[in-house]
Amino acid sequence: KQEVTQIPAALSVPEGENLVLNCSFTDSAIYNLQWFRQDPGKGLTSLLLIQSSQREQTSGRLNASLDKSSGRSTLYIAASQPGDSATYLCAVCGYGQNFVFGPGTRLSVLP
Amino acid sequence: DGGITQSPKYLFRKEGQNVTLSCEQNLNHDAMYWYRQDPGQGLRLIYYSQIVNDFQKGDIAEGYSVSREKKESFPLTVTSAQKNPTAFYLCASSIQSLSPLHFGNGTRLTVT
Repeated sequence: KQEVTQIPAALSVPEGENLVLNCSFTDSAIYNLQWFRQDPGKGLTSLLLIQSSQREQTSGRLNASLDKSSGRSTLYIAASQPGDSATYLCAVCGYGQNFVFGPGTRLSVLP
Repeated sequence: DGGITQSPKYLFRKEGQNVTLSCEQNLNHDAMYWYRQDPGQGLRLIYYSQIVNDFQKGDIAEGYSVSREKKESFPLTVTSAQKNPTAFYLCASSIQSLSPLHFGNGTRLTVT
């Protein structure tokens, strides 16, 4: 059964810093991986989707990488801003399976 | 604007009562999902539907029921058999299974 973990559980950084969020999964036979952002009391907003055949995806200041063999994905946020403060979740989709979610990393960017 | 609408945003019920959460989408997506989110935990799948008039149990279906009579609607009923119903409930949809998920803004249910 696929298990997804995210480290760290919480992160606090000063504004302007570059940062990396980690997502690990136990079964490398995945179809795709999706990164989401969740603001307090809100639903999830999709940030990036990486197909299993891809190594990375970029959107603005965000870059997500995927290493299936090691069961890892990272979300890189460049030049962080206070508006980036939120919880970031990754979700992994296996063949013929539904998405399995990690518990999230709560990010605080201090002005 | 296309999207997923969940209502109400907040819901309060007494223990022993059934309650139905609404989820409507105008994205013309075939697949719809219900997740439960508890503090400090990842989302857990309750039920999903890949096509109208068909749905499947997820990981934590006990105490819940759903229907999928229309493509755009996937209501979730939390029954009195659900032992810990207080949670944040999220509805999602995708074009088809394995496609990217799109989420509504959630319903926070409190049962006392």
